[in-house]
Amino acid sequence: GQQVMQIPQYQHVQEGEDFTTYCNSSTTLSNIQWYKQRPGGHPVFLIQLVKSGEVKKQKRLTFQFGEAKKNSSLHITATQTTDVGTYFCTLVFGNEKLTFGTGTRLTIIP
Amino acid sequence: KAGVTQTPRYLIKTRGQQVTLSCSPISGHRSVSWYQQTPGQGLQFLFEYFSETQRNKGNFPGRFSGRQFSNSRSEMNVSTLELGDSALYLCASSPSAAVPPLHFGNGTRLTVT
Repeated sequence: GQQVMQIPQYQHVQEGEDFTTYCNSSTTLSNIQWYKQRPGGHPVFLIQLVKSGEVKKQKRLTFQFGEAKKNSSLHITATQTTDVGTYFCTLVFGNEKLTFGTGTRLTIIP
Repeated sequence: KAGVTQTPRYLIKTRGQQVTLSCSPISGHRSVSWYQQTPGQGLQFLFEYFSETQRNKGNFPGRFSGRQFSNSRSEMNVSTLELGDSALYLCASSPSAAVPPLHFGNGTRLTVT
């Protein structure tokens, strides 16, 4: 079956440090989406990446899609307490079925 | 615009019973998908409906079923409940199938005792 690896599973950082989560697929993707879920909340859409090698930025967040369209990363610069939550990659395969990654739970130490 | 509405918010059932969860999508959205979220398994895709037709289905047993009505509202049903069905069930809507973003509801927390 299609494997979705997201690493790390947990990340604790000091406020102000950077954070990166990685998402890997064993199969070429149609596109990838990223969502953030705050504790006690529901997933909220962050961004979609479609093109090979695509890089998109949202303020302190940088999203990257691998050249082979099999992996992606989300990097947060200078984390803030508002960044706390679980970040999910969502893989979209050719059949348009969405598969969520296992998520990376980010906690911030003030 | 009102967001995605899921009812009920909380539900407690006993093993062997069945349950029906409801989801009202954002007005104008025709695609509704359902997800099960548990601490151990994360977010798992159940099924997706578009214009009353099931377009995709996840790897769940036949006890899990769903449907979509002509007004795009959707229901999912779980029959013969098991303890392992305890989870947060999330519904998401989008304008059309597989077109982001998915807009999630607040979920229904199901506890099976």
